[in-house]
Amino acid sequence: DAGVIQSPRHEVTEMGQEVTLRCKPISGHNSLFWYRQTMMRGLELLIYFNNNVPIDDSGMPEDRFSAKMPNASFSTLKIQPSEPRDSAVYFCASSLSAARAQHFGDGTRLSIL
Amino acid sequence: TQLLEQSPQFLSIQEGENLTVYCNSSSVFSSLQWYRQEPGEGPVLLVTVVTGGEVKKLKRLTFQFGDARKDSSLHITAAQPGDTGLYLCAGAYSGAGSYQLTFGKGTKLSVIP
Repeated sequence: DAGVIQSPRHEVTEMGQEVTLRCKPISGHNSLFWYRQTMMRGLELLIYFNNNVPIDDSGMPEDRFSAKMPNASFSTLKIQPSEPRDSAVYFCASSLSAARAQHFGDGTRLSIL
Repeated sequence: TQLLEQSPQFLSIQEGENLTVYCNSSSVFSSLQWYRQEPGEGPVLLVTVVTGGEVKKLKRLTFQFGDARKDSSLHITAAQPGDTGLYLCAGAYSGAGSYQLTFGKGTKLSVIP
């Protein structure tokens, strides 16, 4: 069975550029989560979607960050403009329902120069 | 903001040794999950504990949930190099949104052959 698929796996870009991260959740899962992981802060929840609707975006650090889920099989996390402090590993996770176990993708390692 | 502390932060042991890592909070969890994360991959769920005092075993791994549901431990017997990784605990807190998991920063375990 295909797990959560994220792309790209690695992204290196200069500050000020737009960055788009992509996620395909596991088919049939109706909850989707975007996380950011750094050494200093660990795993932090950025935004949570349920049935394609954003429920909680309180973790989104700034207006430079936005996320969409146009359908049940695709979500994007966009950073515009990017800054060096956005460098981190970004994970997408999905689950059957909000309170169930979360299945993580392998992440996108983002480096902003 | 709920805080979830994991200890130790780093642990390096010889193959065959036993070890215990801890996860503590000042607040009560409604449930707690343990994940293992290997380099370049996303966290993978190991176990979920729900009931105070609960003990679950997964081969050489033993998970215990504190009676008061504020702490948990993971004990590994006869550690193997394949156990190397970052062990994360994640708690769902009573009163928080059912989707919300607060992650600890993890214990980075290295098992030396």
